[in-house]
Amino acid sequence: KAGVTQTPRYLIKTRGQQVTLSCSPISGHRSVSWYQQTPGQGLQFLFEYFSETQRNKGNFPGRFSGRQFSNSRSEMNVSTLELGDSALYLCASKLGGQNYGYTFGSGTRLTVV
Amino acid sequence: GQSLEQPSEVTAVEGAIVQINCTYQTSGFYGLSWYQQHDGGAPTFLSYNALDGLEETGRFSSFLSRSDSYGYLLLQELQMKDSASYFCAVRDSSGNTPLVFGKGTRLSVIA
Repeated sequence: KAGVTQTPRYLIKTRGQQVTLSCSPISGHRSVSWYQQTPGQGLQFLFEYFSETQRNKGNFPGRFSGRQFSNSRSEMNVSTLELGDSALYLCASKLGGQNYGYTFGSGTRLTVV
Repeated sequence: GQSLEQPSEVTAVEGAIVQINCTYQTSGFYGLSWYQQHDGGAPTFLSYNALDGLEETGRFSSFLSRSDSYGYLLLQELQMKDSASYFCAVRDSSGNTPLVFGKGTRLSVIA
Protein backbone atom coordinates (compact mmCIF):
# COMPACT_ATOMS: atom_id res chain seq x y z
CA LYS A 1 0.00 0.00 0.00
CA ALA A 2 1.14 3.58 -0.57
CA GLY A 3 3.03 5.26 2.24
CA VAL A 4 2.59 8.66 3.78
CA THR A 5 2.92 11.36 1.13
CA GLN A 6 4.09 14.85 1.94
CA THR A 7 4.13 17.73 -0.49
CA PRO A 8 6.05 19.70 -1.43
CA ARG A 9 9.37 17.96 -0.78
CA TYR A 10 11.35 21.19 -0.66
CA LEU A 11 10.28 24.78 -0.18
CA ILE A 12 12.06 28.10 0.04
CA LYS A 13 10.17 31.03 1.49
CA THR A 14 10.98 34.58 2.51
CA ARG A 15 10.71 35.79 6.07
CA GLY A 16 7.23 37.14 6.73
CA GLN A 17 5.50 34.92 4.18
CA GLN A 18 3.18 32.09 5.02
CA VAL A 19 3.32 28.45 3.94
CA THR A 20 1.00 25.46 3.75
CA LEU A 21 2.30 21.90 3.87
CA SER A 22 0.26 18.85 2.94
CA CYS A 23 0.19 15.28 4.22
CA SER A 24 -1.74 12.33 2.84
CA PRO A 25 -1.72 9.42 5.32
CA ILE A 26 -1.78 5.74 4.57
CA SER A 27 -5.23 4.67 3.44
CA GLY A 28 -7.29 3.75 6.47
CA HIS A 29 -5.11 5.64 8.94
CA ARG A 30 -7.19 8.22 10.77
CA SER A 31 -4.52 9.64 13.06
CA VAL A 32 -2.04 12.18 11.70
CA SER A 33 0.74 13.84 13.68
CA TRP A 34 3.14 16.59 12.67
CA TYR A 35 6.69 17.08 13.92
CA GLN A 36 9.37 19.68 13.37
CA GLN A 37 12.91 18.36 13.13
CA THR A 38 15.97 20.56 13.47
CA PRO A 39 19.62 19.50 13.94
CA GLY A 40 20.33 18.58 17.52
CA GLN A 41 16.72 19.00 18.66
CA GLY A 42 15.22 15.75 17.54
CA LEU A 43 11.56 15.65 16.65
CA GLN A 44 9.44 18.33 18.28
CA PHE A 45 5.72 17.60 18.40
CA LEU A 46 3.44 20.10 16.64
CA PHE A 47 -0.09 18.65 16.41
CA GLU A 48 -2.05 15.44 16.37
CA TYR A 49 -5.35 15.01 14.55
CA PHE A 50 -7.86 12.21 14.68
CA SER A 51 -11.06 12.18 12.64
CA GLU A 52 -10.78 15.89 11.83
CA THR A 53 -10.31 16.87 15.49
CA GLN A 54 -7.12 18.25 16.95
CA ARG A 55 -6.34 15.95 19.83
CA ASN A 56 -3.06 17.47 20.98
CA LYS A 57 -0.98 20.54 20.32
CA GLY A 58 2.69 21.06 21.11
CA ASN A 59 4.43 24.12 22.51
CA PHE A 60 4.61 26.16 19.36
CA PRO A 61 3.37 29.73 18.81
CA GLY A 62 -0.02 30.44 17.32
CA ARG A 63 1.61 31.05 13.94
CA PHE A 64 1.58 27.28 13.56
CA SER A 65 -1.82 25.83 12.77
CA GLY A 66 -3.22 22.74 11.17
CA ARG A 67 -6.33 20.90 10.14
CA GLN A 68 -7.50 17.51 8.99
CA PHE A 69 -10.06 16.81 6.30
CA SER A 70 -12.74 14.15 6.13
CA ASN A 71 -10.48 11.94 3.97
CA SER A 72 -7.83 12.12 6.73
CA ARG A 73 -5.51 14.29 4.67
CA SER A 74 -3.93 16.98 6.78
CA GLU A 75 -2.40 20.39 6.23
CA MET A 76 -0.29 22.57 8.43
CA ASN A 77 0.16 26.28 7.99
CA VAL A 78 2.85 28.58 9.27
CA SER A 79 2.18 32.30 9.04
CA THR A 80 4.63 35.17 9.30
CA LEU A 81 7.62 32.93 8.73
CA GLU A 82 10.78 33.46 10.75
CA LEU A 83 14.30 32.29 9.98
CA GLY A 84 14.07 29.87 12.89
CA ASP A 85 11.19 28.06 11.22
CA SER A 86 13.66 26.52 8.78
CA ALA A 87 13.40 22.80 9.45
CA LEU A 88 12.25 19.42 8.20
CA TYR A 89 8.52 19.04 8.83
CA LEU A 90 7.48 15.44 9.21
CA CYS A 91 4.03 13.96 9.11
CA ALA A 92 3.21 10.55 10.56
CA SER A 93 0.07 8.46 10.43
CA LYS A 94 -1.19 5.42 12.30
CA LEU A 95 -4.33 3.44 12.82
CA GLY A 96 -6.43 5.17 15.44
CA GLY A 97 -6.36 2.51 18.10
CA GLN A 98 -2.77 1.36 18.13
CA ASN A 99 -0.21 2.88 20.38
CA TYR A 100 2.89 2.41 18.25
CA GLY A 101 4.10 1.93 14.71
CA TYR A 102 3.74 5.43 13.32
CA THR A 103 4.58 5.61 9.61
CA PHE A 104 6.39 8.77 8.63
CA GLY A 105 6.48 10.60 5.36
CA SER A 106 9.76 11.82 3.88
CA GLY A 107 9.04 15.31 5.09
CA THR A 108 9.01 18.81 3.68
CA ARG A 109 12.31 20.66 3.94
CA LEU A 110 11.41 24.31 4.56
CA THR A 111 14.06 26.98 4.21
CA VAL A 112 13.23 30.53 5.26
CA VAL A 113 15.52 33.22 3.87
CA GLY B 1 5.37 16.28 30.75
CA GLN B 2 7.85 13.80 29.45
CA SER B 3 11.60 13.87 28.94
CA LEU B 4 13.95 11.33 27.41
CA GLU B 5 17.71 11.05 27.59
CA GLN B 6 19.86 9.16 25.13
CA PRO B 7 23.52 9.53 24.12
CA SER B 8 24.08 11.94 21.25
CA GLU B 9 26.65 9.82 19.42
CA VAL B 10 27.92 6.25 19.40
CA THR B 11 30.61 4.70 17.22
CA ALA B 12 31.01 0.96 16.72
CA VAL B 13 32.90 -1.42 14.48
CA GLU B 14 31.29 -3.40 11.68
CA GLY B 15 30.29 -6.85 12.89
CA ALA B 16 30.21 -5.80 16.54
CA ILE B 17 27.30 -5.28 18.94
CA VAL B 18 26.16 -1.86 20.13
CA GLN B 19 23.66 -0.81 22.79
CA ILE B 20 21.85 2.53 22.73
CA ASN B 21 20.35 3.49 26.07
CA CYS B 22 17.28 5.58 26.78
CA THR B 23 16.03 6.83 30.12
CA TYR B 24 12.71 8.56 30.42
CA GLN B 25 10.63 10.56 32.83
CA THR B 26 6.88 10.51 32.37
CA SER B 27 3.88 11.09 34.57
CA GLY B 28 2.46 7.79 33.34
CA PHE B 29 3.78 5.27 30.85
CA TYR B 30 2.37 3.58 27.82
CA GLY B 31 5.20 1.99 25.94
CA LEU B 32 8.67 2.74 24.62
CA SER B 33 9.29 2.80 20.87
CA TRP B 34 12.43 2.97 18.75
CA TYR B 35 12.80 4.59 15.34
CA GLN B 36 15.66 4.64 12.84
CA GLN B 37 16.37 7.56 10.55
CA HIS B 38 18.99 7.61 7.82
CA ASP B 39 20.32 10.97 6.66
CA GLY B 40 17.75 12.59 4.40
CA GLY B 41 15.22 9.88 5.09
CA ALA B 42 12.05 9.40 7.07
CA PRO B 43 12.07 7.87 10.55
CA THR B 44 11.05 4.22 10.38
CA PHE B 45 9.56 2.20 13.21
CA LEU B 46 11.84 -0.48 14.65
CA SER B 47 10.30 -1.83 17.84
CA TYR B 48 7.89 -1.30 20.72
CA ASN B 49 8.00 -2.45 24.33
CA ALA B 50 4.96 -2.13 26.55
CA LEU B 51 6.06 -4.69 29.13
CA ASP B 52 9.36 -5.41 30.83
CA GLY B 53 11.78 -7.63 29.00
CA LEU B 54 13.45 -8.16 25.69
CA GLU B 55 11.82 -8.04 22.27
CA GLU B 56 13.84 -9.46 19.39
CA THR B 57 13.43 -8.71 15.71
CA GLY B 58 16.24 -10.12 13.64
CA ARG B 59 19.50 -8.34 14.40
CA PHE B 60 17.70 -5.74 16.51
CA SER B 61 16.46 -6.22 20.06
CA SER B 62 14.84 -3.78 22.45
CA PHE B 63 14.66 -4.00 26.21
CA LEU B 64 12.48 -2.27 28.77
CA SER B 65 12.60 -1.96 32.56
CA ARG B 66 9.61 0.05 33.74
CA SER B 67 10.81 0.11 37.34
CA ASP B 68 14.04 1.79 36.22
CA SER B 69 12.37 3.98 33.54
CA TYR B 70 15.00 2.63 31.22
CA GLY B 71 15.25 0.89 27.91
CA TYR B 72 17.83 0.10 25.29
CA LEU B 73 18.14 -0.85 21.67
CA LEU B 74 20.65 -3.58 20.89
CA LEU B 75 22.04 -3.93 17.39
CA GLN B 76 23.99 -7.08 16.61
CA GLU B 77 26.26 -7.99 13.70
CA LEU B 78 26.54 -4.33 12.80
CA GLN B 79 26.55 -3.43 9.14
CA MET B 80 27.60 -0.19 7.48
CA LYS B 81 23.97 0.41 6.52
CA ASP B 82 23.09 0.61 10.23
CA SER B 83 24.79 4.01 10.36
CA ALA B 84 21.84 6.25 11.13
CA SER B 85 20.16 8.16 13.94
CA TYR B 86 18.11 6.19 16.45
CA PHE B 87 15.31 7.74 18.47
CA CYS B 88 13.48 6.45 21.50
CA ALA B 89 9.93 7.68 22.03
CA VAL B 90 7.25 7.38 24.70
CA ARG B 91 3.60 8.13 25.31
CA ASP B 92 2.55 8.72 28.87
CA SER B 93 -1.00 7.45 28.45
CA SER B 94 -3.04 5.71 25.83
CA GLY B 95 -4.53 7.61 22.96
CA ASN B 96 -4.77 11.10 24.32
CA THR B 97 -1.17 12.22 24.52
CA PRO B 98 1.35 12.64 21.72
CA LEU B 99 4.35 10.46 21.04
CA VAL B 100 7.37 12.30 22.43
CA PHE B 101 10.84 11.63 21.02
CA GLY B 102 14.31 11.81 22.47
CA LYS B 103 16.89 13.92 20.64
CA GLY B 104 18.36 10.89 18.95
CA THR B 105 21.61 8.94 18.95
CA ARG B 106 23.78 9.12 15.88
CA LEU B 107 25.37 5.72 15.28
CA SER B 108 28.45 5.56 13.10
CA VAL B 109 29.57 2.10 12.01
CA ILE B 110 33.22 1.98 10.99
CA ALA B 111 35.17 -0.70 9.19
